[in-house]
Amino acid sequence: DAGVIQSPRHEVTEMGQEVTLRCKPISGHNSLFWYRQTMMRGLELLIYFNNNVPIDDSGMPEDRFSAKMPNASFSTLKIQPSEPRDSAVYFCASSRTGVNSPLHFGNGTRLTVT
Amino acid sequence: AQTVTQSQPEMSVQEAETVTLSCTYDTSESDYYLFWYKQPPSRQMILVIRQEAYKQQNATENRFSVNFQKAAKSFSLKISDSQLGDAAMYFCAWSSSNTGKLIFGQGTTLQVKP
Repeated sequence: DAGVIQSPRHEVTEMGQEVTLRCKPISGHNSLFWYRQTMMRGLELLIYFNNNVPIDDSGMPEDRFSAKMPNASFSTLKIQPSEPRDSAVYFCASSRTGVNSPLHFGNGTRLTVT
Repeated sequence: AQTVTQSQPEMSVQEAETVTLSCTYDTSESDYYLFWYKQPPSRQMILVIRQEAYKQQNATENRFSVNFQKAAKSFSLKISDSQLGDAAMYFCAWSSSNTGKLIFGQGTTLQVKP
């Protein structure tokens, strides 16, 4: 089991640029979550998918953020245009819904927007 | 809305001693799960222990145990025989049994003194 795989591990970009974060969940997991971690706000749930369908995106900060899950093995979180206040660690996590399965987290992507 | 509160931003313990981290939560749901996650400096999120709300027996995992008080909505973590490797940030989290999404507390940074 390779675990949840996120890429890139670090991303540095300039304000105004588009940023795409990628996630490959654990095979067989049908729920996928995107979290953001900052010193000020802690761990915030941005959006989660169940069987590739977005269920709750109420945590997405604004329209600059979008997430997709085109298939069961891949998801992206896109920020366009990026701003310095988007600097954070972004985590992807997956689980099997309904079978008492805990979330398994990826190692996160540290995003720095200058 | 569900909330999770960790009132201790920082704690310290002497190596080999016991320490308890506090957590309270608020929810109107009757069926849910509670978790403690550990985040070392590597920023990996590691599941420490979990508790099903319908179980009265407190969960234990080796040196880690919880004190689950459902009526008081309290879920503390006890670490016995603390080791230097236990130094990390610890997050308490609540999860709906329906959705699986985790709501995190603010975290407690644990320092272990040799």
